[in-house]
Parts: sequence; C-alpha cells; structure tokens
Amino acid sequence: EVQLVESGGGLVQPGGSLRLSCAASGFTFNNHWMNWVRQAPGKGLEWVANIKEDGSENHYVDPVKGRFTISRDNAEKSVFLQMNSLRVEDTAVYYCARGSRSNGWLGDYWGLGTLVSVSS
Amino acid sequence: DIVMTQSPGSLAVSLGERATINCKSSQSVLTYLAWYQQKPGQPPKLLIYGASTRQSGVPDRFSASGSGTDFTLTISSLQAEDVAVYYCQKYHAPPLTFGGGTKVEIK
Repeated sequence: EVQLVESGGGLVQPGGSLRLSCAASGFTFNNHWMNWVRQAPGKGLEWVANIKEDGSENHYVDPVKGRFTISRDNAEKSVFLQMNSLRVEDTAVYYCARGSRSNGWLGDYWGLGTLVSVSS
Repeated sequence: DIVMTQSPGSLAVSLGERATINCKSSQSVLTYLAWYQQKPGQPPKLLIYGASTRQSGVPDRFSASGSGTDFTLTISSLQAEDVAVYYCQKYHAPPLTFGGGTKVEIK
C-alpha cells in the first residue's frame, strides 16, 4: 500500500525557516517524481515544487523561487522541502504527492498533509 | 503562465441527477489535464488523468472529456458520497496549475 507521511510543520514567525519531510513506503521510491502542493486555510490547491527521480531536476512555482528548496534522499525514501524567509502567505497545509509512472508531474497518491502557520 | 478557470464555483444537484463542471485553460494543455476530488478534511484524490481516463477504482459515473483549452467533468448520477470540491490541474509543464475548484453539494 502506498503511504506518504508528512512531518515538520508548525508555527513559525515571519522570516523564519522550517524543513518539511515526507516519508514514503509501499512503492519503489526512486522510480517516481515527487511533488509538494499546498492549500491555504479555506482556499484552493497550489502546486509548489517537484523533483525528478534522481534529484537532477526540479521546478518551483514563482512565489517560492529562491526561498524554498526541494530535495530527496532515495536511500531514506524521503523528500524534503526547506522553507526559508517564510511569509504570512505561506501559511497552508503542505501535501506530499507522488508522481505517477506514466507522467511524473501527475500526482497519483497524496499524504494527509502537515500544517505550516506563519505568524508573529 | 497558463491560467486554469473552473465554472461554476459551486453547484447544488439533486441525488441521482447529473453534475457538470467545466475547466478552461488560457492556452492549450493538449490532454495533460487531471481532475481531483477533495472531501472535507481529506487530501485530494486523483479521479481522471489524460483528460478522460479514469484512475483505477473510480466509479464509472465519473466521466470527463475535452482537449486543448476546454474540459468537462461529469457525474452522471450524483451520490451523497460525491459531495466534495473538484479541481482540475494541468500537468504538461510547470507550473502545474490548479483551477480554483468547484464545490458540489446536494440540493
């Protein structure tokens, strides 16, 4: 069974940093792109970033470029999101989503999410 | 960047009746279009990919069509468990933008 478990969320002040983790199980991790998607309270979904199977390629949505960094550890079957210079508008539930085998940019399984709150 | 626009923002449909949701992209996304269902307090669930292919396990009352810039998701006979917000997403190139969502409720 595919499982994705996010962790690392919490309350942080504006300008602060957090590192999110997503632990994967139930599939061959290094065969899949991985994505982060966020959802602000009461709002819609926003794709944040993704990373290729071997970590050699990644992409970001414009509002987080230069502040967030996605990485992965295939030995640990985990993907990470380092978030620096956090802003109030980064407050959201952050979901980890697996890229499908047919198209790595299509999220076919999602974790339950971890809440990041940015507030003074 | 390509903008994905969903309509309507919400709709109320009687049990057993048809629900239709539209998604329009500002430029062609070919058939790199997915539909997700999100129930309250849950993560999104992939329903449709490739504009019209049902994900494994998705009931056949869910169907979708379209290509290029105009797409449609149809629930042929609404069930109580279909109450949710539905999102379209283009995935042919980053940013992998979502539509704003359509909330489906029971009338």
